[in-house]
Amino acid sequence: QKEVEQDPGPLSVPEGAIVSLNCTYSNSAFQYFMWYRQYSRKGPELLMYTYSSGNKEDGRFTAQVDKSSKYISLFIRDSQPSDSATYLCAMSGQAGTALIFGKGTTLSVSS
Amino acid sequence: GAVVSQHPSWVICKSGTSVKIECRSLDFQATTMFWYRQFPKQSLMLMATSNEGSKATYEQGVEKDKFLINHASLTLSTLTVTSAHPEDSSFYICSAISSGRADEQFFGPGTRLTVL
Repeated sequence: QKEVEQDPGPLSVPEGAIVSLNCTYSNSAFQYFMWYRQYSRKGPELLMYTYSSGNKEDGRFTAQVDKSSKYISLFIRDSQPSDSATYLCAMSGQAGTALIFGKGTTLSVSS
Repeated sequence: GAVVSQHPSWVICKSGTSVKIECRSLDFQATTMFWYRQFPKQSLMLMATSNEGSKATYEQGVEKDKFLINHASLTLSTLTVTSAHPEDSSFYICSAISSGRADEQFFGPGTRLTVL
């Protein structure tokens, strides 16, 4: 079993839809959870960062962490064509250590 | 703030040659930098951890004599792919952690290496 599982998609939605992206993980020591957005041939861009369990909201984006289920989610409201990208979940057990990434989910939002 | 740059952004080289990739933190000091590799449609895989002034720590399966890492200052780490072969063709991405904020990792734009 891989440490971090993420459905690669692709996921196609119409503009304005609510998008739900998810990752599961196996290592209960993970405490830091991130979501990155990556456009083709570009480096990852940090979208959301959550420590431990709970929810975090930033504009149209909401990140949720459920440590009891080892499950994290990213919700995108009112999706836009500019949201079309690959979304990577990443996590680590300690601050300052390397991240373990999911495979990434490719999202396409059509206008 | 928290910008990480990489140079070059892309490079094509012949098999058997060496290629150096630079990773710089532009507006902060990075005590730790990481080097990742990403093959097409795959996730980022950690290659090595680079700490300023000390030897890099390599992940299992990554040849330290082939992928030379030098973290000579708090703003610069370099990755040299020695005697590159076509199977080394990949997207190499560095990230840096600020000495003042260890829980956030900032990524460079990546370097696409193609070995002919």
